Amino acid sequence: DIRMTQSPSSLSASIGDTVIITCRASQSISSYLHWYQQKPGQAPKLLVYGVGSLQSGVPSRFSGHGSGKEFTLTIRNLQPEDFGVYYCQQSYSIPALTFGGGTKVEIK
Amino acid sequence: QLQLQESGPGLVKPSETLSLTCNVSGDSLKTSSNYWGWIRQTPEKGLEWIGSIYSGGRTSYNPSLKSRAIMSVDTAKNQLSLQVNSVTATDTAVYFCAKVYGSGTYNMRIDGPWGQGILVTVSS
Repeated sequence: DIRMTQSPSSLSASIGDTVIITCRASQSISSYLHWYQQKPGQAPKLLVYGVGSLQSGVPSRFSGHGSGKEFTLTIRNLQPEDFGVYYCQQSYSIPALTFGGGTKVEIK
Repeated sequence: QLQLQESGPGLVKPSETLSLTCNVSGDSLKTSSNYWGWIRQTPEKGLEWIGSIYSGGRTSYNPSLKSRAIMSVDTAKNQLSLQVNSVTATDTAVYFCAKVYGSGTYNMRIDGPWGQGILVTVSS
């Protein structure tokens, strides 16, 4: 299986800050990388697909970049509703999709 | 509006079969061209992909379940089903069903909606 490693595992940031979450794959996954946000007691929600395409309804303060083995999710102008856990997911190795371990974003 | 909801027993004994259903509303599985997936989540292992099923019944499984998982579609009840055989404590998880985009392709992702999830505990 392709291992997805996220860093940091958690962070605390202030409203208005820029937050960067990194996701590294154990092998190249080209651009087949997606990001999800999960809030407590809820199912994950797709935010970004194919590295940098925003899912419908996702604010433009979210952006994704990267290729190969290293990817980032950037949240600019952090808002109170952006708290939660963020996960990356690769779709290069199908049907063995795998997820990162998550990055918990807390608002200071 | 498309909605999914999981249901089933919250407690299963070791070595028995875990059986869950996912009620789909807002789309007819008899005519749908959608793909559907099952995912589970634990604090220890995080999110784990189980597999996907096409409304017509074609399935694709994550090899990590070692053939213990079986997914099916009941078009009469407009439900998806998941069975996991020979369960152990490591199968204790919150199980989700969700709509999937691009099953079987490199663009495969869980575009939702998701069900709210159901906690299944494996214990004697």
